[in-house]
Amino acid sequence: GQNIDQPTEMTATEGAIVQINCTYQTSGFNGLFWYQQHAGEAPTFLSYNVLDGLEEKGRFSSFLSRSKGYSYLLLKELQMKDSASYLCAAMDSNYQLIWGAGTKLIIKP
Amino acid sequence: GAVVSQHPSRVICKSGTSVKIECRSLDFQATTMFWYRQFPKQSLMLMATSNEGSKATYEQGVEKDKFLINHASLTLSTLTVTSAHPEDSSFYICSAKASTSGGSETQYFGPGTRLLVL
Repeated sequence: GQNIDQPTEMTATEGAIVQINCTYQTSGFNGLFWYQQHAGEAPTFLSYNVLDGLEEKGRFSSFLSRSKGYSYLLLKELQMKDSASYLCAAMDSNYQLIWGAGTKLIIKP
Repeated sequence: GAVVSQHPSRVICKSGTSVKIECRSLDFQATTMFWYRQFPKQSLMLMATSNEGSKATYEQGVEKDKFLINHASLTLSTLTVTSAHPEDSSFYICSAKASTSGGSETQYFGPGTRLLVL
């Protein structure tokens, strides 16, 4: 079956770095997406990885290892506004997104 | 670029009435749009895939006669919740598939519609 696993909740301190891990099992693979969702709002796109390696975008970076079925989202210099849920989604061979349950990130001062 | 709008943002209706939600891609054409619902503290659940000019593809367990989807143009898809009941109260989110500058495709989400059925 198809499955996405990510931690339910994480806590970090303002100004620090946090890594949110995601493992996936899909029928075929056409890329790994990360989205940010603030409470009561729709998700917003953060990153897309289809090749192995690290993609950096400002304070956010995303890593993919296709052989391990593994990705992580790295957030640096954490700010209070980064408190949100982070959704990992893998695209299968039919180009459908398989969603993880999301990781709720709590930032403390 | 890749902005998706959704209307209305909030709607309260009486049980038994129908509610229409519009999803528009504002600066790009979307041959494929998706409709999701999300219950509090839960992940997105795909309801259906909407393809311009053809019938929508519904996920297992989603009643196509209750959730009517019409993808009338390359920039507009509508979801109509017919004969709404309190259990249909949820956050409904649409997304549209767009090509990025790198040649990949990704989904951009509308702001969502919060439906409350009394």
